[in-house]
Amino acid sequence: DAKTTQPPSMDCAEGRAANLPCNHSTISGNEYVYWYRQIHSQGPQYIIHGLKNNETNEMASLIITEDRKSSTLILPHATLRDTAVYYCIVRYNNAGNMLTFGGGTRLMVKP
Amino acid sequence: EAQVTQNPRYLITVTGKKLTVTCSQNMNHEYMSWYRQDPGLGLRQIYYSMNVEVTDKGDVPEGYKVSRKEKRNFPLILESPSPNQTSLYFCASSPGLQPLYGYTFGSGTRLTVV
Repeated sequence: DAKTTQPPSMDCAEGRAANLPCNHSTISGNEYVYWYRQIHSQGPQYIIHGLKNNETNEMASLIITEDRKSSTLILPHATLRDTAVYYCIVRYNNAGNMLTFGGGTRLMVKP
Repeated sequence: EAQVTQNPRYLITVTGKKLTVTCSQNMNHEYMSWYRQDPGLGLRQIYYSMNVEVTDKGDVPEGYKVSRKEKRNFPLILESPSPNQTSLYFCASSPGLQPLYGYTFGSGTRLTVV
């Protein structure tokens, strides 16, 4: 699996967009980008995933650069409940069973 | 409500006293797994099961056992707990090995072994 690099922490004002970057410069053509988050000591929660095209769901948007070497998770209107650690994971969609979480980005949404 | 239920949420035990952490899912998922989470080490997989009576080791299986006698249940057994097994444990399930986004995690079990 491709290695990912995320900033260890970020702050965001409540109601503003939170843009969380992820570098995955060694990503291969068949690897997907996934985002999970973990609110303090709770189980990780799936957010979104994508391969090449930008994706949007009710929680977030995922922007993947054309060369696929980096991506950005966007929470359009961050709330205090979005304070969590956000994990970017790169993996083949049919690679099997294991999720490998790196250090992630600790997002602090402030009033 | 679709969910993965772990029990107990908190457990303090003594070294060597066998314990079981239960995990149950109500989504008819085939795949279930156990992870432990430690500061600075992230989430690491302990065991997984692809279906009833099918289990396999993850990254850190030493000191743990699992069983999958029914589809919905996947208990984690510590036959002789040691202090290095003090950790936050998560059970997860998904419809199958893919797609990856189908993972649902339980709320966690915080285990302390003294």
